[in-house]
Amino acid sequence: EVQLVESGGGLVQPGGSLRLSCAASGFTFSSYAMNWVRQTPERGLEWVSEISGSGLSPYYADSVKGRFTISRDNSKNTLYLQMNSLRADDTAVYYCAKDRYTSGWSGVLHIWGQGTMVTVSS
Amino acid sequence: DIQMTQSPSSLSASVGDRVTITCQASQDISDDLNWYQQKPGKAPRLLIYDASNLESGVPSRFTGSGSGTDFTFTISSLQPEDVATYYCQQNDNIPTFGGGTKVEIK
Repeated sequence: EVQLVESGGGLVQPGGSLRLSCAASGFTFSSYAMNWVRQTPERGLEWVSEISGSGLSPYYADSVKGRFTISRDNSKNTLYLQMNSLRADDTAVYYCAKDRYTSGWSGVLHIWGQGTMVTVSS
Repeated sequence: DIQMTQSPSSLSASVGDRVTITCQASQDISDDLNWYQQKPGKAPRLLIYDASNLESGVPSRFTGSGSGTDFTFTISSLQPEDVATYYCQQNDNIPTFGGGTKVEIK
């Protein structure tokens, strides 16, 4: 069974840092691009970042560019999101999501984790 | 970024009714359009990809159609377990989502 399990969320002060993890199982992790997507009641679903199966060519939403870094460890079947200089508007549920196809990044978000809550507040 | 306009934002229908949701892109996205279902407290689930392809395991009462800028998602016979919020999403460029349609039972 394909499964994604996020961890690392929590309460952090503005300007602080947090690293999210997404543990993958049930598929050949290195063959698929992976994504981070966040959700708030106010702004809905927002794509955050994507990384290819090889770990090259990450892409970011303008709202997080320069502050967030996506990475992956294919030996550990784990995806990461390093979040620095956090702001109140980064408060959201963060999901990792597996791409549907093995042929590069498609943006079709096939399987999602259960999400982890990040709260940025003093 | 490509803007996705989804309507209605909410609807209430009876069990067995046909339900239709529309999604309009701000520019031509060909068939790079996907539909997701999200139940309260759960992650989104992919139902339809590439505008009209049914994801494996998804009931056939869910269908999608359209291309270019105008897309439609239909539940042919609404069931109690279909109560959820439905989102369209384009993957022609940087992914963006519609605002969602909350579907309830009348």
